[in-house]
Amino acid sequence: SAVISQKPSRDICQRGTSLTIQCQVDSQVTMMFWYRQQPGQSLTLIATANQGSEATYESGFVIDKFPISRPNLTFSTLTVSNMSPEDSSIYLCSVEVRVGYGYTFGSGTRLTVV
Amino acid sequence: GDSVTQMEGPVTLSEEAFLTINCTYTATGYPSLFWYVQYPGEGLQLLLKATKADDKGSNKGFEATYRKETTSFHLEKGSVQVSDSAVYFCALSAQEGNTPLVFGKGTRLSVIA
Repeated sequence: SAVISQKPSRDICQRGTSLTIQCQVDSQVTMMFWYRQQPGQSLTLIATANQGSEATYESGFVIDKFPISRPNLTFSTLTVSNMSPEDSSIYLCSVEVRVGYGYTFGSGTRLTVV
Repeated sequence: GDSVTQMEGPVTLSEEAFLTINCTYTATGYPSLFWYVQYPGEGLQLLLKATKADDKGSNKGFEATYRKETTSFHLEKGSVQVSDSAVYFCALSAQEGNTPLVFGKGTRLSVIA
């Protein structure tokens, strides 16, 4: 299975600022998925990032708020822009290295906005 | 669209009790089914999976069988331990791959000694 290095692991940010989260995968993957996990909740898909094209966002998430970069097949970033306390969540990236064999997740970024 | 429904928690059991967490799904085609576990303060780990009907996934004493006729993938363990205390997520992915996981709401399990 793939190994994902995600950073930062946690951060406390001021409202109105932006935070960029990075995920590095140890193998090449076609798609990378970004999720949000609000406190005590399940995972909600933010967007799917395909190398060489714009990310596809789920309903309720927009590119201006959550811009994503995918410069190559092993790396992606998610930026949380103009943050408010409602953005306080755990953000996770995920990949599927081989169809049907499960998805690997990064360790998550625990974001607190004050 | 595809969806996963799992029993709401929290579930509190005594050590060595039998565990069942129900999970049912709605999907077009034949999805792959997964159980993920999230221990306190940690990330998500794949617990077990099944990719076709009647497959049984198993790991660490946990089992789940892919039941197409009842569209279910219930998680079971015969004797839980305190160390099993975690949040358990049932999830599915479309069979063709390169599609994101769809998660259930999660079930928090607390095992007391």
